[in-house]
Amino acid sequence: LAKTTQPISMDSYEGQEVNITCSHNNIATNDYITWYQQFPSQGPRFIIQGYKTKVTNEVASLFIPADRKSSTLSLPRVSLSDTAVYYCLVGVMNYGGSQGNLIFGKGTKLSVKP
Amino acid sequence: GAVVSQHPSRVICKSGTSVKIECRSLDFQATTMFWYRQFPKQSLMLMATSNEGSKATYEQGVEKDKFLINHASLTLSTLTVTSAHPEDSSFYICSARDYGTSGRAYEQYFGPGTRLTVT
Repeated sequence: LAKTTQPISMDSYEGQEVNITCSHNNIATNDYITWYQQFPSQGPRFIIQGYKTKVTNEVASLFIPADRKSSTLSLPRVSLSDTAVYYCLVGVMNYGGSQGNLIFGKGTKLSVKP
Repeated sequence: GAVVSQHPSRVICKSGTSVKIECRSLDFQATTMFWYRQFPKQSLMLMATSNEGSKATYEQGVEKDKFLINHASLTLSTLTVTSAHPEDSSFYICSARDYGTSGRAYEQYFGPGTRLTVT
């Protein structure tokens, strides 16, 4: 399984755009990139998933360059409630069964200040 | 997105007793469920992968006789911590995979977690 590297922590202010970059140099051809958000004492919440180029949903955008060795989660206009730990995960997600179990790295602790 | 529930959300038990945690996929069928453990200020650690109707696959270092996993139906998996000790106190989180529409990758959804405290 591809290992991911993220910044341990990031600080931001309300209303700013936040970009969290994740490195995954050993990503395999079948691997997808998935980002999760976790608040204290809660389970991770799915944010966004992509394979290549750009993916956008109602809460975030995910930018993936052509070589797929990194990805950037973009959170537009963050608020205090976006303070959480964000995890970047890489794994095979287009098969069933036990393939592609998600292995969590250390994540990025985002602190949003007023 | 799909919903995964866990019960109980919080449990305190005495050392030496067993505790069962339930994980349910509420609006989808999950052929595969996962169990994670998370210690304070640490990341989630995968404990085991369970497929409906078959034995769970445990990660290295996880005692299968201590952490019994049963996945008897497509919507329910249980984790039983047997003969619990204080060092088993942790946040246990289950996860289930849902296959989206044609051409989309599987999405994995997590339960809210169960806080286990062993006294």
